[in-house]
Amino acid sequence: NAGVTQTPEFQVLKTGQSMTLQCAQDMNHEYMSWYRQDPGMGLRLIHYSVGAGITDQGEVPNGYNVSRSTTEDFPLRLLSAAPSQTSVYFCASSYEGLSPLHFGNGTRLTVT
Amino acid sequence: QQPVQSPQAVILREGEDAVINCSSSKALYSVHWYRQKHGEAPVFLMILLKGGEQKGHEKISASFNEKKQQSSLYLTASQLSYSGTYFCGSPDYGGSQGNLIFGKGTKLSVKP
Repeated sequence: NAGVTQTPEFQVLKTGQSMTLQCAQDMNHEYMSWYRQDPGMGLRLIHYSVGAGITDQGEVPNGYNVSRSTTEDFPLRLLSAAPSQTSVYFCASSYEGLSPLHFGNGTRLTVT
Repeated sequence: QQPVQSPQAVILREGEDAVINCSSSKALYSVHWYRQKHGEAPVFLMILLKGGEQKGHEKISASFNEKKQQSSLYLTASQLSYSGTYFCGSPDYGGSQGNLIFGKGTKLSVKP
């Protein structure tokens, strides 16, 4: 049982490039979400999904797109990377509302 | 709006006690506590669902006062393993955890 798997672990992009951060879970969880973590800012919610085909914006959605075509996968797309998107990105899932979040190991992204 | 945590940082000696506070200007429907060690993903500690409810995890307990929109995390007889950053979180709307909003965190350092 792998839990929540994020790839890649590290990534360096140039300004303007696009990429997709992958997130997959094998626990049949309905809820999935993406957070970014910057020093002193805590964990800020980017986008979340309460089930396949349903997504919504969080606190800091600008510059990011998501889709949820299957229960297992919840990719995060950076359309045109900017240095301000340099951060650690965490994907998380939970069985239902009010149950514990399971986090992936994170993707450390640097945009130059 | 992010919950507000205090203090931002605390340094303890092994065996000492600490209290971490979490408050919100908006109604708190539930409070979730997580701990993150350096370079790792956040790990779930506990969820508090009712006003005045207290829960425990090892020698860590917490309280939740709905009326005051506050929660407190109590760490007693701290151990070296308690070092890390503690985050409180609360759903932004209703009871769905799909949109859990976290505070900026409290960094706890336990020294021998």
